[in-house]
Amino acid sequence: SQTIHQWPATLVQPVGSPLSLECTVEGTSNPNLYWYRQAAGRGLQLLFYSVGIGQISSEVPQNLSASRPQDRQFILSSKKLLLSDSGFYLCAWSVGGGVYEQYFGPGTRLTVT
Amino acid sequence: DAKTTQPPSMDCAEGRAANLPCNHSTISGNEYVYWYRQIHSQGPQYIIHGLKNNETNEMASLIITEDRKSSTLILPHATLRDTAVYYCIVRVPLLSNFGNEKLTFGTGTRLTIIP
Repeated sequence: SQTIHQWPATLVQPVGSPLSLECTVEGTSNPNLYWYRQAAGRGLQLLFYSVGIGQISSEVPQNLSASRPQDRQFILSSKKLLLSDSGFYLCAWSVGGGVYEQYFGPGTRLTVT
Repeated sequence: DAKTTQPPSMDCAEGRAANLPCNHSTISGNEYVYWYRQIHSQGPQYIIHGLKNNETNEMASLIITEDRKSSTLILPHATLRDTAVYYCIVRVPLLSNFGNEKLTFGTGTRLTIIP
């Protein structure tokens, strides 16, 4: 069966510090991968998606970047965090080509102080 | 994607059926109805989807009206673990691997299961 892992589960970082969040998927090949952010009391905002190694598309301009160094690994990064980067970060995967559901990881709660 | 309207909150007694409504009066012919839920501090969880026929899986049933302008998610025997925010989403699924299957969640219905 497929599983998706995210770490760390929680993170408190000062403004201006770097960020690296990692997501890995097991049990499937060539998944579509997504990074979402959920601010407190708000809906999900898609940040990045990837349909293959090295292929990253950004939905909104922001202080973050994403990379996909391996087929089932997706990394979210920042060189300098802002207070507005605080939120609940979720990684998700899906299989393209007509499959309709996405599967989400447990999330990382980031607080920028 | 078509807009959906859901009640902001609902209560249901434990062991009873929870019926969550969703209005999507502007749905187009090729748009599917999806349901996800999000338990507090966890990632969203896919529940079920359908086009026009009623669907059932191990988690829930989805009833779509004949005109497809509304649907109801049914949790047949609600438990305390079903307390969550439930999201109804209407969209066209991508049929290629070259695009983005972005999900846009509204505010959903906060379902509270009462012991």
